Amino acid sequence: EAQVTQNPRYLITVTGKKLTVTCSQNMNHEYMSWYRQDPGLGLRQIYYSMNVEVTDKGDVPEGYKVSRKEKRNFPLILESPSPNQTSLYFCASSPQTGLAGGLVRYNEQFFGPGTRLTVL
Amino acid sequence: LAKTTQPISMDSYEGQEVNITCSHNNIATNDYITWYQQFPSQGPRFIIQGYKTKVTNEVASLFIPADRKSSTLSLPRVSLSDTAVYYCLVGDENYGQNFVFGPGTRLSVLP
Repeated sequence: EAQVTQNPRYLITVTGKKLTVTCSQNMNHEYMSWYRQDPGLGLRQIYYSMNVEVTDKGDVPEGYKVSRKEKRNFPLILESPSPNQTSLYFCASSPQTGLAGGLVRYNEQFFGPGTRLTVL
Repeated sequence: LAKTTQPISMDSYEGQEVNITCSHNNIATNDYITWYQQFPSQGPRFIIQGYKTKVTNEVASLFIPADRKSSTLSLPRVSLSDTAVYYCLVGDENYGQNFVFGPGTRLSVLP
């Protein structure tokens, strides 16, 4: 089954304790991304990766790191979590943006089930 | 990134048609318009995408006027299971991959 998986699904931790949230996709997608979702703010992009070894900041990258050593995996790393990083996190993947006939077609993003993180 | 504006919330009753309009005054000439649906505690799910005029699939229709400064997602005969948040996205004029979903429109379907 084509899917994006995230682990763990729920995590409660304490301030300053490094953690990693894993994300994996089995669709051979070039593009992967991390979002956080907070009440009233919608989804905000943290980091994205257009391919292996290529990553870039989204709108809210502070306090986060990512790596893309393999096409299928895109872990999100919080080196020193703080309470303001308590949120619901989603990983997503999609085929690379299509450029055809001069038009930019952003392909469908497939989202993981989410990871609910609480930092005490 | 082109900014979008949607109503924060809408209420409807089962069996009615629901239209959610999104404003995107600064959409780039070459960009598509994409809509996603999100149920509580789940990741967003792609609904429909279009460039101009009208697009229809088994779930919804998307109406885009000639000036493309807005778009309307139409859900025919909604049911309780259509209660969700709906997001409108347009592309980045620099053709980047920095997506901003915004707060979306919270649709509540009542019995």
